[in-house]
Amino acid sequence: GQQVMQIPQYQHVQEGEDFTTYCNSSTTLSNIQWYKQRPGGHPVFLIQLVKSGEVKKQKRLTFQFGEAKKNSSLHITATQTTDVGTYFCAGYQGAQKLVFGQGTRLTINP
Amino acid sequence: EAGVVQSPRYKIIEKKQPVAFWCNPISGHNTLYWYLQNLGQGPELLIRYENEEAVDDSQLPKDRFSAERLKGVDSTLKIQPAELGDSAVYLCASSDGGTRTDTQYFGPGTRLTVL
Repeated sequence: GQQVMQIPQYQHVQEGEDFTTYCNSSTTLSNIQWYKQRPGGHPVFLIQLVKSGEVKKQKRLTFQFGEAKKNSSLHITATQTTDVGTYFCAGYQGAQKLVFGQGTRLTINP
Repeated sequence: EAGVVQSPRYKIIEKKQPVAFWCNPISGHNTLYWYLQNLGQGPELLIRYENEEAVDDSQLPKDRFSAERLKGVDSTLKIQPAELGDSAVYLCASSDGGTRTDTQYFGPGTRLTVL
């Protein structure tokens, strides 16, 4: 079945530094979703990308969907302590089963 | 608008005991999902309901897990008997369409510890 891999598994940065997490799928995705999970919390939807090569921005967050629709990235510019958490990408397997990556856990040194 | 509600938030049981989790989705959401999340991993789908019908339960270990969604609103997930390896967070999510472009809204989860 489809696998969704994320790297890195962990990332520790100084506040103000940039952060990027990468997501790769073994198969072409119809769309990809990104979620954020704060420590002790639950996944919260951030954004969805549908089109090949699509780029979307949310303030300091930039999301990209690869041309082949098999990879995606999330970039955070100038991290803040509020960005701490685990970021998951998720893509659909088959008809309607959302498959999550293992996540990238971001910690920030203030 | 209230979000997805789950109870209990925490549960500690001994192995071989039964346990049940309850979920109330966002009002009007026809699609309900149960996920399992192990520590350091992403959520894994256990079962998906469209109204009261379980349309994808291929990942549900049916020898010990069962679920129901009577009347197509709230849902219960049961484990009987629980095993040590079942310790995890059980997340419920809902969406209003069940299609690939839908946003899934997650509840706070139930953290299960099996001793």
